[in-house]
Amino acid sequence: QVQLQESGPGLVKPSQTLSLTCTVSGGSISSGDYYWSWIRQPAGKGLEWLGRIYTSGSTRYNPSLKSRVTISVDTSKNQFSLNLSSVTAADTAMYYCAREVGAIDAWGQGTLVTVSS
Amino acid sequence: DIQMTQSPSTLSASVGDRVTITCRASQSISSWLAWYQQKPGKAPKLLIYKASSLEAGVPSRFSGSGSGTEFTLTISSLQPDDFATYYCQQYNSYSGFSFGQGTKLEIK
Repeated sequence: QVQLQESGPGLVKPSQTLSLTCTVSGGSISSGDYYWSWIRQPAGKGLEWLGRIYTSGSTRYNPSLKSRVTISVDTSKNQFSLNLSSVTAADTAMYYCAREVGAIDAWGQGTLVTVSS
Repeated sequence: DIQMTQSPSTLSASVGDRVTITCRASQSISSWLAWYQQKPGKAPKLLIYKASSLEAGVPSRFSGSGSGTEFTLTISSLQPDDFATYYCQQYNSYSGFSFGQGTKLEIK
């Protein structure tokens, strides 16, 4: 059974870049016809899809964030990563990594990132 | 972008009730719709995919229906474990995916 675990700084300063990594265990990130995604959720609010990557490196991003989001994959480490540039307080949220085939069938537990000076 | 609108935003019900949550898409998404359950402090859990397919391990009291722009999630007989927030998600859009704003199911 696949498991996903987010890691990265819990506090980021405004205007800096938020960087998170998701480590996949219980299976190879390259096997199967899966995409690997990032979703976030501000406290008390709904879910926002940020983007996805296929192990070929093909990406798709949320148009509302496209200029600030970069997702990459490292198949040798069974990891994929999120970079979100020029962050503001509005980017404070729980960030989830996930596996999807359109529907999202596996989620990490989430990591809280706060943007504050 | 495809907008997803859920109704109601909050639903009060009792154990044993049959409840229905509606999700509407701003344009046709065929059957590319999923439903998730989220409890406080936890990641969402997939319940239904492709509008009406039950995810493995999900109780059969959950069912989904619809196609095009209108979809429903039905819980046939509410159990205490079902009180949570429910989200729909479309995964048809070439430009990206989107979620509904959520429906909080509360105990009456």
